[in-house]
Amino acid sequence: GAGVSQTPSNKVTEKGKYVELRCDPISGHTALYWYRQSLGQGPEFLIYFQGTGAADDSGLPNDRFFAVRPEGSVSTLKIQRTERGDSAVYLCASSRQGNSPLHFGNGTRLTVT
Amino acid sequence: DAKTTQPPSMDCAEGRAANLPCNHSTISGNEYVYWYRQIHSQGPQYIIHGLKNNETNEMASLIITEDRKSSTLILPHATLRDTAVYYCIVRVGGGATNKLIFGTGTLLAVQP
Repeated sequence: GAGVSQTPSNKVTEKGKYVELRCDPISGHTALYWYRQSLGQGPEFLIYFQGTGAADDSGLPNDRFFAVRPEGSVSTLKIQRTERGDSAVYLCASSRQGNSPLHFGNGTRLTVT
Repeated sequence: DAKTTQPPSMDCAEGRAANLPCNHSTISGNEYVYWYRQIHSQGPQYIIHGLKNNETNEMASLIITEDRKSSTLILPHATLRDTAVYYCIVRVGGGATNKLIFGTGTLLAVQP
C-alpha cells in the first residue's frame, strides 16, 4: 500500500525566504511526526501530532518553525526567514496510534543558500 | 538524550549472521526496545520491537537480556542490501510521550 509521501523531495531556497514542506501520512494513521536530519546524525525530533493537535512540540528549535495538521491527515511544516543552518533532510512519519511503530517517508532535502 | 549505546560501525560477511549489540542500562519497566534502520537517502525503516521477550519476524530477531539492560538485533543471513545505519531506541509504551529519540546508530557494512 501507499506509504508516507513527502513533497517536494528537494527544495532549494535563499536565506530569508519562507518555505512549506508537505507530508501525506498513511491513510488512517492518527499520529504524525516531524523530524530533521543533518549529515552524519540521527533524526532529531521536532513535533508530534495526535489527530489535529500538536501533542508535543518540544523539538521545534525556535519560533521560525511551525507545523499544522488542520484536518488530522496532511501536515505542513512551515519555516519562516530561513537560515543556512536550517539546511537538512526533513522527515515525516505516521503511526496508526500513538504507541504503534512509526513509518517514515523519504524526506524533503532542504538547502538554504 | 539518547538512552542507548551502540558501536559506531561493524562489518559482516555476506551470508553470515549480523549481530548488532545495544546497551540500555537505564531502561525503565514500561519502555520498549525498538530497532530501525536507514539505508542511504531513505527514511528510517521499522524492523522490530520488544518489551522483555525475544521477538522474531521476517526481517530479524531481537534478543533482550533477562535484566533488559542490553539487547541484540540478529539479521540471520546478511545481504549487501542490509548495509545501513541501524538505530536501537527505547520508547515508553502508551501515554503522551510517544516520540522516538534517535542516537547515531551503528553503520553495518556487509562485505561481499
